[in-house]
Amino acid sequence: EAQVTQNPRYLITVTGKKLTVTCSQNMNHEYMSWYRQDPGLGLRQIYYSMNVEVTDKGDVPEGYKVSRKEKRNFPLILESPSPNQTSLYFCASWTGSGNQPQHFGDGTRLSIL
Amino acid sequence: SQQGEEDPQALSIQEGENATMNCSYKTSINNLQWYRQNSGRGLVHLILIRSNEREKHSGRLRVTLDTSKKSSSLLITASRAADTASYFCATALTGFQKLVFGTGTRLLVSP
Repeated sequence: EAQVTQNPRYLITVTGKKLTVTCSQNMNHEYMSWYRQDPGLGLRQIYYSMNVEVTDKGDVPEGYKVSRKEKRNFPLILESPSPNQTSLYFCASWTGSGNQPQHFGDGTRLSIL
Repeated sequence: SQQGEEDPQALSIQEGENATMNCSYKTSINNLQWYRQNSGRGLVHLILIRSNEREKHSGRLRVTLDTSKKSSSLLITASRAADTASYFCATALTGFQKLVFGTGTRLLVSP
């Protein structure tokens, strides 16, 4: 089954404790992206990747890092999380063709205390 | 800044009625896509309309696109309680490989 898998689904942690949210897709998609979703703001792109070792900033990259060492994986790293990063995070993948939809994971709800 | 703005923010209807949601955007696009999000879950792609298309159908969904007005609408006919969700429009910008999302419309369909 074609899918995008995120882990963990839920995480409560404390300020400053490094964390990584994993994302894996099994569709051999070139492109992957991270979004955060906040009430009243919709989804905003954090980072995206066009291929292995090729990443670029989205609209809200501050405080986040990403890496793309393998095509299927695109982890999101919060090196020193802060409470303003409490949010619902989504990973997505797509082919990169201009008229194809993105496929989303089920989301990761992060709470930074 | 947000590319897409949706209207209304919330919509409450009875089963069997039609639901119409509107989306406006600001810049040139490759395509416009509509997604559904059930509470606390991921986004599910519903329909994609290209910039050179004016109308598209998929089952009970009808999407229109007016590039001169930079607007789109999503019509769900004969709504069901299972259609209760948030609906987002997303624009694929010309020259960029990313989607920019609107703030969404929360649809409640009562039995």
